[in-house]
Amino acid sequence: ILNVEQSPQSLHVQEGDSTNFTCSFPSSNFYALHWYRWETAKSPEALFVMTLNGDEKKKGRISATLNTKEGYSYLYIKGSQPEDSATYLCASDNTNAGKSTFGDGTTLTVKP
Amino acid sequence: DVKVTQSSRYLVKRTGEKVFLECVQDMDHENMFWYRQDPGLGLRLIYFSYDVKMKEKGDIPEGYSVSREKKERFSLILESASTNQTSMYLCASSRVGPTYNEQFFGPGTRLTVL
Repeated sequence: ILNVEQSPQSLHVQEGDSTNFTCSFPSSNFYALHWYRWETAKSPEALFVMTLNGDEKKKGRISATLNTKEGYSYLYIKGSQPEDSATYLCASDNTNAGKSTFGDGTTLTVKP
Repeated sequence: DVKVTQSSRYLVKRTGEKVFLECVQDMDHENMFWYRQDPGLGLRLIYFSYDVKMKEKGDIPEGYSVSREKKERFSLILESASTNQTSMYLCASSRVGPTYNEQFFGPGTRLTVL
């Protein structure tokens, strides 16, 4: 089993705060790293997929970085808004078969 | 707009009943997955199918079986439901290579076994 760990488990911030979470994964046999956002009462939706060491991706106020050598990825949210409240999942692939191992997620709550 | 649909959003069954959860995708994806999600435990893979009639056990297959007779449809079967199978069940699908393919998820089925 490929262990993917996320921290913290939950996070409460004020509107306007910037925040970040961590995903760690085994660095051997790495193929791809995904970030998903899962809002309450909705389906998880893909945010980013990253494959190369040093990759950085950005979508609006959300960005992510990848270090495949040490096996971690960071997700950053700049100026958090209440609509950013969700569970953020990371998932690691060790082959191109499309099968991912998910972390337990970080649940972010942004208070107005 | 790509879509993964699940047959029910909420389901209540009794212990010992046979339960079918259906998932359909319209994206011609090769891969389909069944996960369960419990508080604090993230998404745990129950079964994975990479082609019609092909399946692979995930991390927690005990008490479950699956069926994939058509490419677009993947069914999860609880042969004899038990209370510890009360959970949120999510279906997903994805393409196979060459790009790094995300999974597309259905809305989930919240199953309660009494």
